[in-house]
Amino acid sequence: DGGITQSPKYLFRKEGQNVTLSCEQNLNHDAMYWYRQDPGQGLRLIYYSQIVNDFQKGDIAEGYSVSREKKESFPLTVTSAQKNPTAFYLCASSEGLAGAFSYEQYFGPGTRLTVT
Amino acid sequence: GQQLNQSPQSMFIQEGEDVSMNCTSSSIFNTWLWYKQDPGEGPVLLIALYKAGELTSNGRLTAQFGITRKDSFLNISASIPSDVGIYFCAGCRRNRDDKIIFGKGTRLHILP
Repeated sequence: DGGITQSPKYLFRKEGQNVTLSCEQNLNHDAMYWYRQDPGQGLRLIYYSQIVNDFQKGDIAEGYSVSREKKESFPLTVTSAQKNPTAFYLCASSEGLAGAFSYEQYFGPGTRLTVT
Repeated sequence: GQQLNQSPQSMFIQEGEDVSMNCTSSSIFNTWLWYKQDPGEGPVLLIALYKAGELTSNGRLTAQFGITRKDSFLNISASIPSDVGIYFCAGCRRNRDDKIIFGKGTRLHILP
């Protein structure tokens, strides 16, 4: 089955620690995205990558970092500089600019991060 | 920046009722997408619209791309308990560096 996997589903960390969230896709999509969702809020874009070894900041990139070394993988690191890291994190992918339906994004199941 | 206004924020309906929600934009979009999110899960794409005036159905769901290209509507007919969740609209201009803009969602509650 093709899809997007995120692990773990729930993650608990102490304040001051960096934590890396995993996102893997086997849809052969070029573009991948990270969003943050807070209660009662919409989706806010953290980082996105349109191609391997390239990525751009989204609307709320401060305190986060990413890498895109492989097409299938786009891990997100929540650093200790992120002032309010507790949230639901969603990874998505799309075909990319070359695809006819490049703007249809498909989401993973999410990781709920709690920092205390 | 671009903003999407999605309304209503929440709805309480009886099972079997029809549901309507909409999204409006301050600027023109060339793509409208509708997603549903179940509690604790990622959003699932329901319907994609690519042409002004387009009307597309997916089972009991029907979505329309507004003629002005600044709005879109989603209707759900004969609601059932599994329709509960948050419905998000998303729009995009489909320019090279464009990103999808998401609305804040409509939370649908179904009363027993």
